[in-house]
Amino acid sequence: EVQLLESGGGLVQPGGSLRLSCAASGFTFSTYAMRWVRQAPGKGLEWVSDISGSGGYPYYADSVKGRFTMSRDNSKNTLYLQMNSLRAEDTAVYYCAKGAYDSSDHPTPGDYWGQGTLVIVSS
Amino acid sequence: DIQMTQSPSSVSASVGDRVTITCRASQGISSWLVWYQQKPGKAPKLLIYAASSLQSGVPSRFSGSGSGTDFTLTISSLQPEDFATYYCQQVNSFPPTFGPGTKVDIK
Repeated sequence: EVQLLESGGGLVQPGGSLRLSCAASGFTFSTYAMRWVRQAPGKGLEWVSDISGSGGYPYYADSVKGRFTMSRDNSKNTLYLQMNSLRAEDTAVYYCAKGAYDSSDHPTPGDYWGQGTLVIVSS
Repeated sequence: DIQMTQSPSSVSASVGDRVTITCRASQGISSWLVWYQQKPGKAPKLLIYAASSLQSGVPSRFSGSGSGTDFTLTISSLQPEDFATYYCQQVNSFPPTFGPGTKVDIK
């Protein structure tokens, strides 16, 4: 059974940093692309970042480019999102999602999602 | 970036009704379109990929169609567990943009 468990969310002041983690199990982690998607309170879904199975070729939304870094540790079956220079508009539930297949140059459908972790940026 | 629109933004329907949701891309995306269902407080769930392929385990009352710029999600006979918000997403190119969502609620 595929399981994705996010952690690391919480309350942080504007300008602060936070690192989210997503622990994966139930599939061969290194052979699938992975994704972060966020959802602000009461709003729709916003794609944040994708990374290929090997950990190369991360892609970022313009809204987070230069502030967020996505990475993965295939030896630990864990996905990360390092978030720096946080802003109030980054407040959201952050979901990690498994890609339906591996790709380094093309988005993939997210076929399994974690339950999300809430990030609140506020003073 | 490819912009995705959905219509209607909300629909009120009864159990047993046929419901159709439309998604439009600002440029051609072939069949690189997926549909998700999201219930309040829950993660999205993949329903349809490649515009018309049913994800494993998804009831056959859900179907998708379209290619190019115009797509539809149809629920043939609405069930109580189908009341939710539905999102389309293009996976043709980065950034993989979502539509704004369509909320299906009880009439």
